[in-house]
Amino acid sequence: KAGVTQTPRYLIKTRGQQVTLSCSPISGHRSVSWYQQTPGQGLQFLFEYFSETQRNKGNFPGRFSGRQFSNSRSEMNVSTLELGDSALYLCASASMGGASTDTQYFGPGTRLTVL
Amino acid sequence: GENVEQHPSTLSVQEGDSAVIKCTYSDSASNYFPWYKQELGKRPQLIIDIRSNVGEKKDQRIAVTLNKTAKHFSLHITETQPEDSAVYFCAASGGSNYKLTFGKGTLLTVNP
Repeated sequence: KAGVTQTPRYLIKTRGQQVTLSCSPISGHRSVSWYQQTPGQGLQFLFEYFSETQRNKGNFPGRFSGRQFSNSRSEMNVSTLELGDSALYLCASASMGGASTDTQYFGPGTRLTVL
Repeated sequence: GENVEQHPSTLSVQEGDSAVIKCTYSDSASNYFPWYKQELGKRPQLIIDIRSNVGEKKDQRIAVTLNKTAKHFSLHITETQPEDSAVYFCAASGGSNYKLTFGKGTLLTVNP
């Protein structure tokens, strides 16, 4: 099976702009999670979707939003970008069961730089 | 919410030595504990995981132990090799909490 894919791999934006990142899970997986990775804060959970429903959300401002489509692909959006949003954004997919104990497989990430 | 503490933050060993990384968690409802390895510029890769009905799990040179009473779990790597050099993350999840809470990571350097 093909792994988790993310597009684009790199993005450069300026403050105030908005950005949309995309994640395609492993075929058959219905759970998609998003994480922000920075050198100072490590890996922080943004949100998780299962069958188009957001089941959990991390402690991020409302500028961060996401959605999941019927084919399980997911997008996340960040509006009004700030310098501190520069990070590696990782998505991870998990199996059809969608249990909290299912193994999560990560994509390669999108490197976002905000100038 | 869940909090995961990971120690040490850096670890340097000689090739062939063992390496141990320890994590503690706060939420007694957590019942799934994966370990990920992330090489520079690469995605995190699952190397081993353990669920709370098991106390220890081994996979070749890698083992994980879990003490639910004390709320801590550890990664053991034996006969380390230079290619084991990477950042290792522990994580916890469980119950109705559909998210992984990660430790801050351990930079492991294996010196030839």
